[in-house]
Amino acid sequence: DAMVIQNPRYQVTQFGKPVTLSCSQTLNHNVMYWYQQKSSQAPKLLFHYYDKDFNNEADTPDNFQSRRPNTSFCFLDIRSPGLGDAAMYLCATSRSGGFEETQYFGPGTRLLVL
Amino acid sequence: AQSVTQLGSHVSVSEGALVLLRCNYSSSVPPYLFWYVQYPNQGLQLLLKYTSAATLVKGINGFEAEFKKSETSFHLTKPSAHMSDAAEYFCAVNFGNEKLTFGTGTRLTIIP
Repeated sequence: DAMVIQNPRYQVTQFGKPVTLSCSQTLNHNVMYWYQQKSSQAPKLLFHYYDKDFNNEADTPDNFQSRRPNTSFCFLDIRSPGLGDAAMYLCATSRSGGFEETQYFGPGTRLLVL
Repeated sequence: AQSVTQLGSHVSVSEGALVLLRCNYSSSVPPYLFWYVQYPNQGLQLLLKYTSAATLVKGINGFEAEFKKSETSFHLTKPSAHMSDAAEYFCAVNFGNEKLTFGTGTRLTIIP
């Protein structure tokens, strides 16, 4: 089945230690999104790629960066994680970013910062 | 301003009872409306979406929603709740760009 895959499902890191979360998709979709979701809150968009074009949300901290080396893979890098960065990180894709298009979500990576 | 509001952060219903989860939006452009469900420690899964075709939209797991332009609403309903419906439900709106704006979510609890 075509899907969105996130690895690892759980990640523990230390305060200030860089961490990378990965996302891959077999849907061949052009658009990939990264969301941060804190406990009992709505997902918050961090950034998205339309093909190779990177789009950063205005309020996304500089501590968060992303790479998309090819259509299938997208990475979220947190350069110096703080305690406030502990959250679920969700990757999603859509075919071409059209208004009516469904976003397909991966299962998420839960990040714990010690 | 464009926004989406979900009334009721927690809703409890008895098994077999009607489920009603409310979503209202404010938009200056025709919106595209979605309902997603999230089970614990999982990603979001699409339940249904409105894309300017039929105003009554049927989704998976017996859920449906009706787009009412005059009320700027897109409430989610299910005639008979099942224990497996316990989850977090998010209403989301596309206001005419590549991004979704999510409501704050409603946690649905089913009482045996």
